[in-house]
Amino acid sequence: AAGVIQSPRHLIKEKRETATLKCYPIPRHDTVYWYQQGPGQDPQFLISFYEKMQSDKGSIPDRFSAQQFSDYHSELNMSSLELGDSALYFCASSRRGGTEAFFGQGTRLTVV
Amino acid sequence: DQQVKQNSPSLSVQEGRISILNCDYTNSMFDYFLWYKKYPAEGPTFLISISSIKDKNEDGRFTVFLNKSAKHLSLHIVPSQPGDSAVYFCAASATSGGSNYKLTFGKGTLLTVNP
Repeated sequence: AAGVIQSPRHLIKEKRETATLKCYPIPRHDTVYWYQQGPGQDPQFLISFYEKMQSDKGSIPDRFSAQQFSDYHSELNMSSLELGDSALYFCASSRRGGTEAFFGQGTRLTVV
Repeated sequence: DQQVKQNSPSLSVQEGRISILNCDYTNSMFDYFLWYKKYPAEGPTFLISISSIKDKNEDGRFTVFLNKSAKHLSLHIVPSQPGDSAVYFCAASATSGGSNYKLTFGKGTLLTVNP
């Protein structure tokens, strides 16, 4: 069965650079969520989109922005990267009326 | 302020025995609870969920119990298998009748099942 696809799987950037993470939800899923998991931490909710509109916002820095496109894929744009942005970034998708959210394998971002 | 708490960072059990992972929450608005299993460098894998209108949900070897008055839930794995060894995250959501999976996670419990 198709799962949530995230790309790239690994990304190394220097401080003050920008990064774009992509998420392709499960077909027919209309909602996408982004989470950040720092080393030894629990996943923290960043932002979510439903039908291409932002539906909820968590602890997302102002340096980050995200959007959901007409094909329901989502991109997380991160600018002025800091060392503390190094983390695993997970995307999850769900369907209205569904009973669970499914996660992708994550993108490991390392800022050096 | 940790709204979802997993107070045991780790748990070790013998193969074939029962594993019980516990989770407490503080936010009364949470009405949907999920358990995820996570291996290193992989995304969380959904295991089982429970709505606040139920007190038990069972799926094969996995059973989740919810005690709303105590704001406590637990995941039982019977019998435990070595392949169950992973980090288990408890997560909660305030769905308000919709399908909102803005999840608040606990810090996870590392389960080790010894052969």
